[in-house]
Amino acid sequence: AQSVTQPDIHITVSEGASLELRCNYSYGATPYLFWYVQSPGQGLQLLLKYFSGDTLVQGIKGFEAEFKRSQSSFNLRKPSVHWSDAAEYFCAVGALDLTGNQFYFGTGTSLTVIP
Amino acid sequence: DGGITQSPKYLFRKEGQNVTLSCEQNLNHDAMYWYRQDPGQGLRLIYYSQIVNDFQKGDIAEGYSVSREKKESFPLTVTSAQKNPTAFYLCASKEGRGLGYGYTFGSGTRLTVV
Repeated sequence: AQSVTQPDIHITVSEGASLELRCNYSYGATPYLFWYVQSPGQGLQLLLKYFSGDTLVQGIKGFEAEFKRSQSSFNLRKPSVHWSDAAEYFCAVGALDLTGNQFYFGTGTSLTVIP
Repeated sequence: DGGITQSPKYLFRKEGQNVTLSCEQNLNHDAMYWYRQDPGQGLRLIYYSQIVNDFQKGDIAEGYSVSREKKESFPLTVTSAQKNPTAFYLCASKEGRGLGYGYTFGSGTRLTVV
């Protein structure tokens, strides 16, 4: 069965430090991969997505993610974190299964940014 | 600007009551979804609809009902059969059926049982 794993429940970084949020997926073919961000009490906003082509994709707010097929990973990165980046981050996979097209979300990683 | 509007933002339900959460979109998207979000559990799919007058159960449909009479609207009713309804509910839409379309989310409704 398809699944998405975000191994880190919570991460704390200092403002200005670099950030990497991990995402691993389980799927037989190349999936459609997404990263979303959720501010407290709000909906989810799409940061970036990957289907094919260049494995390093750029998104909004200075985020990027790299698809690594050999590691079944799609990690989100940012070179320098800002206090406003504190939020919950969700990795998602779009995959085709017996019931049709489905989306699978990870359980999220909560990011705290300290000054 | 196009988007998804969920209302109300906060909702309180007494035991044994049915309540309806509103979701309206002006994006002209065909597909609409309802997710439930609980701390530490990510998003779980309740119901989805790919087209007007048709909808499918998701992973946790028990105790919930939906309708899709108009393309723009996909209301969710939390019935008294739902034993633990306190959660954050998110409505989303998608432009097409393909996997490449990401979701557009509303800002959510927080439901609390009192």
